[in-house]
Amino acid sequence: KQEVTQIPAALSVPEGENLVLNCSFTDSAIYNLQWFRQDPGKGLTSLLLIQSSQREQTSGRLNASLDKSSGRSTLYIAASQPGDSATYLCAVDPYGNKLVFGAGTILRVKS
Amino acid sequence: EPEVTQTPSHQVTQMGQEVILRCVPISNHLYFYWYRQILGQKVEFLVSFYNNEISEKSEIFDDQFSVERPDGSNFTLKIRSTKLEDSAMYFCASRWRDRVFYTFGSGTRLTVV
Repeated sequence: KQEVTQIPAALSVPEGENLVLNCSFTDSAIYNLQWFRQDPGKGLTSLLLIQSSQREQTSGRLNASLDKSSGRSTLYIAASQPGDSATYLCAVDPYGNKLVFGAGTILRVKS
Repeated sequence: EPEVTQTPSHQVTQMGQEVILRCVPISNHLYFYWYRQILGQKVEFLVSFYNNEISEKSEIFDDQFSVERPDGSNFTLKIRSTKLEDSAMYFCASRWRDRVFYTFGSGTRLTVV
């Protein structure tokens, strides 16, 4: 059964810092991996999707990498801003029809 | 940008009552999903729906739950007899084909009292 773990559970950084969020999964047989942002009491906003054949994806200040063989993904946020404060969720799609989520990393960027 | 719309945003119901959560997926999407998130816990998959039938369901999705796409635009989740432990945020999601981005709605917070 696929399990997804995210480290750290919470992170507080000053504005402007570059930071890395980590995600690991137990079964390397995945179709893709997706990173989401969740604001308090709100829905999930898709940030990046990495197909199983890809190594990384970039969108603006965000870069996500995938190492399927070791069961790891990282989300890199450059030059963090207070508006980046949110919970970041990693989710793997085991075979193309559902997502298995991690518990998330709560990020606070202090101004 | 197209959105997945969920109504109501918050619903309070008595234990044992039936509730229907409503979703309007993006119009050209073909795959539909319900997920839930109990407060402080992970987002969990409930059910996927394609071509007017359930394609997969989780252990959570027992006989108390059902889904329907009654017309070309709505996708509903019904809980027949709510329990206290059904209290959660319920998210609807859709995508136009498999293995691409999901688009999630902003959720319905269900509180069972």
